[in-house]
Amino acid sequence: QSALTQPPSASGSPGQSVTLSCTGTNSDVGGYNAVSWYQQYPGKAPKLMIYEVSKRPSGVPDRFSGSKSGNTASLTVSGLQAGDEADYYCSSYGGRSNLVFGGGTKLTVL
Amino acid sequence: EVQLVESGGGLVQPGGSLRLSCAASGFTFSAYSMSWVRQAPGRGLEWVATINKDASNIYYVDSVKGRFTISRDNAKNSLYLQMNSLRAEETAVYYCARDSSGWSRDYWGQGTLVTVSS
Repeated sequence: QSALTQPPSASGSPGQSVTLSCTGTNSDVGGYNAVSWYQQYPGKAPKLMIYEVSKRPSGVPDRFSGSKSGNTASLTVSGLQAGDEADYYCSSYGGRSNLVFGGGTKLTVL
Repeated sequence: EVQLVESGGGLVQPGGSLRLSCAASGFTFSAYSMSWVRQAPGRGLEWVATINKDASNIYYVDSVKGRFTISRDNAKNSLYLQMNSLRAEETAVYYCARDSSGWSRDYWGQGTLVTVSS
């Protein structure tokens, strides 16, 4: 099972919006509404930010939103804040009871 | 408050074995599937294995099949990962995580570092 493709880096200025992409195939991202996004600070455990493509767990700000089109999922962070600077990972159900992650995107707030 | 606390990591030689544990609290452990996810130094996340509520269904990433065994003890609120024939490239922080809707993982432990080196 190949990893999902994420750009290694992205950046934006405070207050701006930035969209992170996660590209898979019709065997994972495109085939199921089972895309999740995780935020990870250095040396810390991942935190679930989005599940089932666009749902937010309780406590996650509505500045974080998810979507999907075909084989590409996206995470949009609106009203960027300094505290949003972190690594972001997507994951998707990959069929045959497998879970596949993306390589991660390092988000920098300029 | 949901808490997951991993233990058992350490230094092991290539070809060696190690057993990781994850102690769960703050939720009904027996009602959830659980997983192990690892992260090599400076690298991304990699799903390793998942076990359902009553251990009747178990899944592994292809690279660990036949060498790793995930198990659980619902009476002890504990999750385990027995790792045999370890390889240098399996040096990583190993996280236990609680499974949630849509194959997401909603709570994670702090991780335990496994170093495979001679």
